[in-house]
Amino acid sequence: DTGVSQDPRHKITKRGQNVTFRCDPISEHNRLYWYRQTLGQGPEFLTYFQNEAQLEKSRLLSDRFSAERPKGSFSTLEIQRTEQGDSAMYLCASSLADQETQYFGPGTRLLVL
Amino acid sequence: AQSVAQPEDQVNVAEGNPLTVKCTYSVSGNPYLFWYVQYPNRGLQFLLKYITGDNLVKGSYGFEAEFNKSQTSFHLKKPSALVSDSALYFCAVRVNVYGQNFVFGPGTRLSVLP
Repeated sequence: DTGVSQDPRHKITKRGQNVTFRCDPISEHNRLYWYRQTLGQGPEFLTYFQNEAQLEKSRLLSDRFSAERPKGSFSTLEIQRTEQGDSAMYLCASSLADQETQYFGPGTRLLVL
Repeated sequence: AQSVAQPEDQVNVAEGNPLTVKCTYSVSGNPYLFWYVQYPNRGLQFLLKYITGDNLVKGSYGFEAEFNKSQTSFHLKKPSALVSDSALYFCAVRVNVYGQNFVFGPGTRLSVLP
């Protein structure tokens, strides 16, 4: 069991640039979640997929954010025209559809200068 | 609005003493409740969950939590704290039966002093 992996672990970018993060879930997990966590706060739900279908999106997910899971395996989260307020830890989690337990990756820490 | 509160930012306890980390929730319908722990530079790890059944739930590393519907609480407990339990603890609730939108509390930092 290799767990949930995320790449990159750290990203520094300039305001206005686009960034893309990748998440590889546990191989047999068909649900995949994205969260954002800022300092001193708990994770905030962004979106989730069941297989390749994106079934829920938070109001936090502005038009600059897009997530995909094209083959129902790995997922990407893209942020276009980054803003300083996007600086946060982006967490990915996965689970089996018939279980409630989510397994989290180590996160990607984004810093927008 | 659906919400989770963890009223204490920080909990300090001496090693060997019992510990409690508090969580209260506000959600429509029957809640699905969770506790996660976050160690430095590591992802969140699942500790335990309450879906239905016995109000006392046992989880990983000797932790347990008690669901109290009348007080809308789900406090995390451990009879004897270890220094290695020092970490950030998050309570979470699934906000609707048909969706997967989870709300996390702000976290409580537990420090177990030797």
